Amino acid sequence: EIVLTQSPGTLSLSLGERAALSCRASRSISINYFAWYQQKPGQAPRLLIYGASNRATGIPDRFSGSGSGTDFTLTISRLEPEDFAVYYCLYCGPSQYTFGQGTKLEIK
Amino acid sequence: EVQLVESGGGLVQPGRSLRLSCAASGFTFDDYAMHWVRQAPGKGLEWVSTINWNSDTIHYADSVWGRFTISRDNAKNSLYLQMNSLKPEDTAFYYCTRDTAYGDYPYWYFDLWGRGTLVTVSS
Repeated sequence: EIVLTQSPGTLSLSLGERAALSCRASRSISINYFAWYQQKPGQAPRLLIYGASNRATGIPDRFSGSGSGTDFTLTISRLEPEDFAVYYCLYCGPSQYTFGQGTKLEIK
Repeated sequence: EVQLVESGGGLVQPGRSLRLSCAASGFTFDDYAMHWVRQAPGKGLEWVSTINWNSDTIHYADSVWGRFTISRDNAKNSLYLQMNSLKPEDTAFYYCTRDTAYGDYPYWYFDLWGRGTLVTVSS
């Protein structure tokens, strides 16, 4: 069973700063089955990145994804007010589906 | 409009049953596998169950195995979750979501989500 561990649990940054969120898998996974989501209070999750590095439709280019194997990173280059939210990684593989526990990005 | 709309949530006593529905529109429902994902208040996302396009393949999370049953009616463009023997720890928003694993598309993820329906298990 694959376990995804996100770090940090909470990240406090200021507007305009760069954010780097980590997601580590318990064993090597295919990038084709890895995605990132953003969730704001009272809303459903919103797809940001699929295939580890492909931005979803309508996602600003300040969001980027990277990584392979067991280590994946979501980077937000310059934080905007609307970026403060909770972020989840997802493994959506053959017959197994698991989310990371989430990283809360808060305004410093 | 492409959308998923969940219904059927509410307050239910421990040990009782509830059936959730998800109405799909704007796309060819029977082309896609579907999932239920839940989120307890203030907590993270938890995958619950999946069903492939023709109901041949079904999987459940250990936390609901033997108590929940996923099903679909492609003629009605609908997904269901029958929840039996409910426990307080089943209290959560339940989301219906679509899987992109279709044909030769190489990337698998959940690309379309409903707004969720709240299930509260309490006496």
